[in-house]
Amino acid sequence: DQQVKQNSPSLSVQEGRISILNCDYTNSMFDYFLWYKKYPAEGPTFLISISSIKDKNEDGRFTVFLNKSAKHLSLHIVPSQPGDSAVYFCAASVWGHYNQGGKLIFGQGTELSVKP
Amino acid sequence: EAQVTQNPRYLITVTGKKLTVTCSQNMNHEYMSWYRQDPGLGLRQIYYSMNVEVTDKGDVPEGYKVSRKEKRNFPLILESPSPNQTSLYFCASSLTTGGSTDTQYFGPGTRLTVL
Repeated sequence: DQQVKQNSPSLSVQEGRISILNCDYTNSMFDYFLWYKKYPAEGPTFLISISSIKDKNEDGRFTVFLNKSAKHLSLHIVPSQPGDSAVYFCAASVWGHYNQGGKLIFGQGTELSVKP
Repeated sequence: EAQVTQNPRYLITVTGKKLTVTCSQNMNHEYMSWYRQDPGLGLRQIYYSMNVEVTDKGDVPEGYKVSRKEKRNFPLILESPSPNQTSLYFCASSLTTGGSTDTQYFGPGTRLTVL
């Protein structure tokens, strides 16, 4: 039972354009969401997060949108750069549980390729 | 440099031969965790530790053991590895166990193959 789903295994965009990575979740108890980025032969690195009290969080070229009614979040990268090519994982947690055990539920990942 | 280190980075072994993957962090983090990454499944938590001598099961703990005798180290032990434990393993740590700024930092990964 995959509680966090990234239905697109891969995405290819042109440099300078917008990249939109999507993530759906099923557990309505999730109230904290994160995106991690992973380069080959490296561990995931934290990118951006959002709590359920917000519907948008922005950090430079990266913006995460949360639609609680649809149980959907997305990561927008504008403008996309070749160095953004990586695997992106979304993750979710229940705040209270996260405070007690740091448990993150990850999606399957989406491989983004940004072409020059 | 603040980091999480794992050793070895690559390991090929045979069924039933006990092995240990080490994890160490130099950030004085209380919380540490082990994940495995498998194609189509993302990262799944194996075990976590909220502090020294405090460990608990994650989603896929079967076939694994951990210990937390010191704050900086959190080894993953496979007493009798089997081929279904062939995977990419990540250790992670964070300052405490929650909070919007309590990011988990991941090690570089250990690719394990069990023949």
